[in-house]
Amino acid sequence: EPEVTQTPSHQVTQMGQEVILRCVPISNHLYFYWYRQILGQKVEFLVSFYNNEISEKSEIFDDQFSVERPDGSNFTLKIRSTKLEDSAMYFCASSFGQNPYGYTFGSGTRLTVV
Amino acid sequence: GQNIDQPTEMTATEGAIVQINCTYQTSGFNGLFWYQQHAGEAPTFLSYNVLDGLEEKGRFSSFLSRSKGYSYLLLKELQMKDSASYLCAVRDDKIIFGKGTRLHILP
Repeated sequence: EPEVTQTPSHQVTQMGQEVILRCVPISNHLYFYWYRQILGQKVEFLVSFYNNEISEKSEIFDDQFSVERPDGSNFTLKIRSTKLEDSAMYFCASSFGQNPYGYTFGSGTRLTVV
Repeated sequence: GQNIDQPTEMTATEGAIVQINCTYQTSGFNGLFWYQQHAGEAPTFLSYNVLDGLEEKGRFSSFLSRSKGYSYLLLKELQMKDSASYLCAVRDDKIIFGKGTRLHILP
């Protein structure tokens, strides 16, 4: 069964550093998403991406964040100047379209900012 | 605004039946999802409802009433591996998640 792949599975970074979280969506999917989940809290929407541009972003997705699809397979989330409160699990997801199966989520990257 | 409410925690016994309720108030509606999430793992898709009524899939069933902004997930013949969080989620333009219901299964 096709999977969404995320790397790394765990990243530790110092406050103020930049991190790039990587995702390989399912190959024929057209819509891409980033969500985050702070420990013990709900899964929160960050951004959606379609046709090589951001289609929607949440209040959380401020200037500190950016997304990119640098080639035909990868989808990245960059966090500039990380803060302690950025520590969370970051999930990438993809979907073919407005289908009935929701999104397929990757296994996540656990980001720890120290 | 967007609001999805579900109980924080529930406890049930192995072999029993449990119903997890969800109420929602969202600006748009293009379907309601239930996801299962084990600790430290990604959400995995369980069910989807876009029309009123009951959708059955094996031991899991999900019900939707759009006029009441209400859904439930019914889990039958509970197994220990069903111990997880169950996330109610609504799609408008994107999927928005509730806080999840942590289900504890007792032997």
